[in-house]
Amino acid sequence: DAGVIQSPRHEVTEMGQEVTLRCKLISGHNSLFWYRQTMMRGLELLIYFNNNVPIDDSGMPEDRFSAKMPNASFSTLKIQPSEPRDSAVYFCASSLRLAGSNEQFFGPGTRLTVL
Amino acid sequence: DQQVKQNSPSLSVQEGRISILNCDYTNSMFDYFLWYKKYPAEGPTFLISISSIKDKNEDGRFTVFLNKSAKHLSLHIVPSQPGDSAVYFCAARGNTGNQFYFGTGTSLTVIP
Repeated sequence: DAGVIQSPRHEVTEMGQEVTLRCKLISGHNSLFWYRQTMMRGLELLIYFNNNVPIDDSGMPEDRFSAKMPNASFSTLKIQPSEPRDSAVYFCASSLRLAGSNEQFFGPGTRLTVL
Repeated sequence: DQQVKQNSPSLSVQEGRISILNCDYTNSMFDYFLWYKKYPAEGPTFLISISSIKDKNEDGRFTVFLNKSAKHLSLHIVPSQPGDSAVYFCAARGNTGNQFYFGTGTSLTVIP
């Protein structure tokens, strides 16, 4: 299995531009998580989905952030318009939500720099 | 507010000695705890976990201890090896879903 795939790996953009981060889940997994890593707050959960349905988006910083799961294996995180304080590493993770199953598998991350 | 805290941002240990990484949490409803390891330019990978009904779980050189009354867990690595040098994240799960709360991480350096 290829694991969780994220693209792009690096993104440099200017303030005000739209940014779209992409994530492909591990085949067969039914939960998807978007995290943001910063020095100050570590790994923050932004939003998570179970079976394509958003369950908790309370971690999304503001309305500039939106996430979708158009199908069971793919998700996007969009920032519009982007701001310099959005610069961080964004991870997505997937898991198979079963009783007793707790491990999340992370992608390699997207390093976003907003100038 | 951080529900899971790792108060030591970094730790250096001599090869062969024990590494002890600490984690504190505030929510007594957390029922499952995990440690993840992260190398530069990679995503975190699962290392070891413990259920709240246990106080110790061991896997090779890695042992996690849970002290529920103190809301504290620790990861022991013994003996430490240079390949253990990485950032370690502590995570806790609420008992209402599969959402995890992560700490800020501790960067471990094992000196050869």
